Amino acid sequence: QVQLVESGGGVVQPGRSLRLSCVASGFTFSSYGMHWVRQAPGKGLQWVAVISYDGSNKYNADSVKGRFTISRDNSKNTLYLQMNSLSPEDTAVYYCAKATYAVGTNSELDYWGQGTLVTVSS
Amino acid sequence: EIVLTQSPGTLSLSPGERATVSCRASQSVTSSSLAWYQQKPGQAPRLLISGASSRATGIPDSFSGSGSGTDFTLTISRLEPEDFAVYYCQQYGSSPPTFGGGTKVEIK
Repeated sequence: QVQLVESGGGVVQPGRSLRLSCVASGFTFSSYGMHWVRQAPGKGLQWVAVISYDGSNKYNADSVKGRFTISRDNSKNTLYLQMNSLSPEDTAVYYCAKATYAVGTNSELDYWGQGTLVTVSS
Repeated sequence: EIVLTQSPGTLSLSPGERATVSCRASQSVTSSSLAWYQQKPGQAPRLLISGASSRATGIPDSFSGSGSGTDFTLTISRLEPEDFAVYYCQQYGSSPPTFGGGTKVEIK
């Protein structure tokens, strides 16, 4: 069965960095695009970033452009989100999610991890 | 970007009743690229419907989706106790993908 397990969340001061990881199993990781989606406490879902199956295409939301970088290591079945210059507005549960296509943002998200909480506070 | 507006914000119903959730887009959604997700407290979202009307694997036929263009609807024909949750629509036809604000279906 498909499993996505995020890690790397925690409490971090404003302006600092954090790297999230998502380990995938139960499917051919290298064949699918992968997304990060976040959810601020008590709020709705916000798309963050997507990466193509081979890592050659990446797209970010405007709200994180220039600060967050999505990447993947297909040899380790792992997705990453490097988050720099964090602000309190980035406080959220971060979910990794599997796309149903290999490339682009045009995909529903058919499997989600349980999420990892990032809290940005001094 | 396409803004999705869900209504109502909260739906108070009893088990066995029919639930209807609306999702309206600020512009036409390409190729009916509209999905619905269910989220229960403390859990990740779960895909229910894609392509506006296709149920995901394992989703009971009490859930149905319809619509095209700018107006979409999720219908739960008969609410079971486990269906009380928050429901989100998402469009993925245009970049960036966007989500609606959510509709909470609560027990009356």
